[in-house]
Amino acid sequence: EAGVAQSPRYKIIEKRQSVAFWCNPISGHATLYWYQQILGQGPKLLIQFQNNGVVDDSQLPKDRFSAERLKGVDSTLKIQPAKLEDSAVYLCASSQRTGGSNSPLHFGNGTRLTVT
Amino acid sequence: AQSVTQLGSHVSVSEGALVLLRCNYSSSVPPYLFWYVQYPNQGLQLLLKYTTGATLVKGINGFEAEFKKSETSFHLTKPSAHMSDAAEYFCAVRSYNQGGKLIFGQGTELSVKP
Repeated sequence: EAGVAQSPRYKIIEKRQSVAFWCNPISGHATLYWYQQILGQGPKLLIQFQNNGVVDDSQLPKDRFSAERLKGVDSTLKIQPAKLEDSAVYLCASSQRTGGSNSPLHFGNGTRLTVT
Repeated sequence: AQSVTQLGSHVSVSEGALVLLRCNYSSSVPPYLFWYVQYPNQGLQLLLKYTTGATLVKGINGFEAEFKKSETSFHLTKPSAHMSDAAEYFCAVRSYNQGGKLIFGQGTELSVKP
């Protein structure tokens, strides 16, 4: 089966600019996650979707970050305006089910964002 | 709240030596536990998982982990390290009463010396 697809792989922007990342999950996976991985740290969940509804966005900086998953398939994550501390790898993952499930998460290769 | 602590941000072993990466978790409910591996410039790949049943779990690439409830640990081991094992390893706990989100430890970088 095809894996989780993410684009772009790399992005360099200046602070205060905006940026968007795209994710296409594994076909049939209802749950989609966006994680932020800062260098030297473990991934941190930003937002979790179940189909096209938000399950958890408690750690999403909503003043600058937004995400959507129209039609319950592809998803985009946007940052506007970007700050230096947003430099990180943004990982998208998907799983078949959520809550009470042991379905593993499948990760994409990530988008490495550098904010200068 | 659930959390994961990985002891040691860097571990170095010689090729052929035992690999031991330590993970302790905190959870108020029976957890699901996972180990993921991340190679440079790649996403995370599942090594193994513990859900229920047998506490010794075997994964890919010769890795295994043992769930010890009394010690709240889920350490990852491999009897003989290979150069290709050099990577970042993440322990994670899954919260099935909070929407199923995966909570990661800070990671352990494994180096393998020839």
